[in-house]
Amino acid sequence: DTAVSQTPKYLVTQMGNDKSIKCEQNLGHDTMYWYKQDSKKFLKIMFSYNNKELIINETVPNRFSPKSPDKAHLNLHINSLELGDSAVYFCASSQDPNGELFFGEGSRLTVL
Amino acid sequence: GEDVEQSLFLSVREGDSSVINCTYTDSSSTYLYWYKQEPGAGLQLLTYIFSNMDMKQDQRLTVLLNKKDKHLSLRIADTQTGDSAIYFCASLVSGGYNKLIFGAGTRLAVHP
Repeated sequence: DTAVSQTPKYLVTQMGNDKSIKCEQNLGHDTMYWYKQDSKKFLKIMFSYNNKELIINETVPNRFSPKSPDKAHLNLHINSLELGDSAVYFCASSQDPNGELFFGEGSRLTVL
Repeated sequence: GEDVEQSLFLSVREGDSSVINCTYTDSSSTYLYWYKQEPGAGLQLLTYIFSNMDMKQDQRLTVLLNKKDKHLSLRIADTQTGDSAIYFCASLVSGGYNKLIFGAGTRLAVHP
């Protein structure tokens, strides 16, 4: 059983489109995250939710809107996609905001 | 500020030891982590050290922490080709909710 799973694994789309990436964890964790890894492999936190409440929002354009329908899910919706949004997006979860992070396998987004 | 720096590349011969270095800036870092990322895969937690420890050993891995200099290193003994990957240093920064700040990753290449 995959602990943190993301879909889709690969996504290719045109500039200007709107797309979503979904994340689910079956670990019973309270806290979930989205990280962005750019082409230079640099990983940066975007958002964190704890018990469905947004606790970290790291100067991400408002075209990015996370949604946590319940503690086990954190989805990322991106409007008006730009070339610079091309990256690998990693979802992660932890028992609480201070706990060890468990990462998903990443969703590679390519914007043409 | 919150910053984590690592050298970008390291090449070693199979059987030798590898040492990957990392420096961080935030003195409120409570935990420091090493993650491994293999090509096309997610992040795997290798080991971590609490900020009041100097050293931690786990099989072939040795982590050294110099808190005064804010310097962390990961030593891999008897490096194997399967160790080829990108290694990320990360600092858990406290303040409100904890955030994991990643370095840019060190690409380790192991050659025969």
